[in-house]
Amino acid sequence: LAKTTQPISMDSYEGQEVNITCSHNNIATNDYITWYQQFPSQGPRFIIQGYKTKVTNEVASLFIPADRKSSTLSLPRVSLSDTAVYYCLVGDTENTGFQKLVFGTGTRLLVSP
Amino acid sequence: GAVVSQHPSRVICKSGTSVKIECRSLDFQATTMFWYRQFPKQSLMLMATSNEGSKATYEQGVEKDKFLINHASLTLSTLTVTSAHPEDSSFYICSARPQSGVYGYTFGSGTRLTVV
Repeated sequence: LAKTTQPISMDSYEGQEVNITCSHNNIATNDYITWYQQFPSQGPRFIIQGYKTKVTNEVASLFIPADRKSSTLSLPRVSLSDTAVYYCLVGDTENTGFQKLVFGTGTRLLVSP
Repeated sequence: GAVVSQHPSRVICKSGTSVKIECRSLDFQATTMFWYRQFPKQSLMLMATSNEGSKATYEQGVEKDKFLINHASLTLSTLTVTSAHPEDSSFYICSARPQSGVYGYTFGSGTRLTVV
């Protein structure tokens, strides 16, 4: 599985846009990029997944450049409840096989009033 | 859809006793489930892959005799921490993924184990 590198922590204020970048230089052709959110004492929650260019859903956007060696999770107008740890994972999760997910360090986002 | 239920949410046990944690896929069948352990302020560490009807596959460094995994049905996997010690205190999380129709893996809510 491709190794990922993210900033350990980020700080923001309510109402701001937050962009968290993840590096995955060894991403394979069949790999997808998936982001999870985890609150304290809870299991991770799926946020968004993409393969290339841009993906948007009701909570976030995912930007993936053409070389796919990095990706950026964009959270628009964050609120205090967005304070959590965000994990970027890379793997062939769309395959019908069940590839194990290996978590990196994650990014601890702190949103202040 | 794609809900994974984990039970109990927290448990306190005495050193030397065994604790069983259940992971159920509520609205889908899961031939494969994964078990993770997470220490405070750290990331999730994959412990093992649970396969329905066969032996689990353990990650390097994880004691298979210490962490017994049973995946007897398509909707239930159990993790038993045997002869628990205080260093086994941690947050244990399971995950699974439906065959199709849903992106990503779904995680249980986790089990906080405290060994005293």
